[in-house]
Amino acid sequence: AQSVTQPDIHITVSEGASLELRCNYSYGATPYLFWYVQSPGQGLQLLLKYFSGDTLVQGIKGFEAEFKRSQSSFNLRKPSVHWSDAAEYFCALNQGGKLIFGQGTELSVKP
Amino acid sequence: GAVVSQHPSWVICKSGTSVKIECRSLDFQATTMFWYRQFPKQSLMLMATSNEGSKATYEQGVEKDKFLINHASLTLSTLTVTSAHPEDSSFYICSARAEGTDTQYFGPGTRLTVL
Repeated sequence: AQSVTQPDIHITVSEGASLELRCNYSYGATPYLFWYVQSPGQGLQLLLKYFSGDTLVQGIKGFEAEFKRSQSSFNLRKPSVHWSDAAEYFCALNQGGKLIFGQGTELSVKP
Repeated sequence: GAVVSQHPSWVICKSGTSVKIECRSLDFQATTMFWYRQFPKQSLMLMATSNEGSKATYEQGVEKDKFLINHASLTLSTLTVTSAHPEDSSFYICSARAEGTDTQYFGPGTRLTVL
């Protein structure tokens, strides 16, 4: 069955440090993958998406993600985290027009 | 672009009453809209998919008579929680997708509290 796994429930990084949030997927064909961010009490904002082509995808707010088919991964990265990046991050897979979400990773940023 | 709004942003109601939540795509035509439910510290759970002019398709375990969905236009979908009970208290989020695309854009969510 298709699924999305975010192994890290909670991550804390220092402001200015680099960030990598992990996402693994299970899907038979070429996946359409997304990263969304959710601030407390808010909806989801699309950070970036991968459909095909270049496996390194650039998104908003300085985020990027790399699709690695051999590892079934789509990890999100940012070279320097800002305090405003503290939020919940969701990786999602498109299956037949519906989104399958990972469990989410809560990011805390310490000064 | 691709802005989705929801109204109200929060609502408190008494048990047994019905509550309607609106989801609007402000700058694009949404042929498909989705309704999700999110519990605290959890991921989103898809409740139903609605296509403009058609009946909604509900996910397994979601009561269609309790959660009425209407998608009467290309920019508006509504979710009505009928005879609400405290266990219906949750954060409800909608998303919208334009025809021929694969990207869903999400609304800001509606916090429902049933007393």
